[in-house]
Amino acid sequence: DAGVIQSPRHEVTEMGQEVTLRCKPISGHDYLFWYRQTMMRGLELLIYFNNNVPIDDSGMPEDRFSAKMPNASFSTLKIQPSEPRDSAVYFCASSFRQGGQPQHFGDGTRLSIL
Amino acid sequence: GEDVEQSLFLSVREGDSSVINCTYTDSSSTYLYWYKQEPGAGLQLLTYIFSNMDMKQDQRLTVLLNKKDKHLSLRIADTQTGDSAIYFCAGFFTGGGNKLTFGTGTQLKVEL
Repeated sequence: DAGVIQSPRHEVTEMGQEVTLRCKPISGHDYLFWYRQTMMRGLELLIYFNNNVPIDDSGMPEDRFSAKMPNASFSTLKIQPSEPRDSAVYFCASSFRQGGQPQHFGDGTRLSIL
Repeated sequence: GEDVEQSLFLSVREGDSSVINCTYTDSSSTYLYWYKQEPGAGLQLLTYIFSNMDMKQDQRLTVLLNKKDKHLSLRIADTQTGDSAIYFCAGFFTGGGNKLTFGTGTQLKVEL
């Protein structure tokens, strides 16, 4: 079975540019999560969706960050404009239902903003 | 809010057992998980335990849950160099909404 697929795996861009990260969840999973991982702050939940609807975006750091889920098999996380402090590894995860079903993670996008 | 704590580092010799510990503050846990993260990769689910269980064993992995002390542990028997990674404990807590709360991760180093 295909796991959670994220693209690109690596992204290097200059500050001020728009960055778009993509995620394809596991088929049939109805929850999708975006996380950010840094050495300083560890793993942070940015936003999660249920049935394509954003449920909690309280972890989104600023208005420069936005996330969409136009359908059950695709989600994007955009940063515009990007800043060097946005450099991190961004993970997407999905799960089936809630109430304790484990989340399955993609391999992440390593983002470097110069 | 919920707090999940782990020690940052653990070093063991190949062939020995590793025990990675995790403590949490919210007693209303429902499910608790162990994830493994290898360099450059995502978090891989290793095992999980329901809060009404005390122990779960899966091949070389043994999870122990002490609800009274709010303590979770992961024991890896016959630790191999391939077990070197960062291990995260995580849990669903009633007070945390529908969010999974992660610990800071324990870096396990297996030495020859």
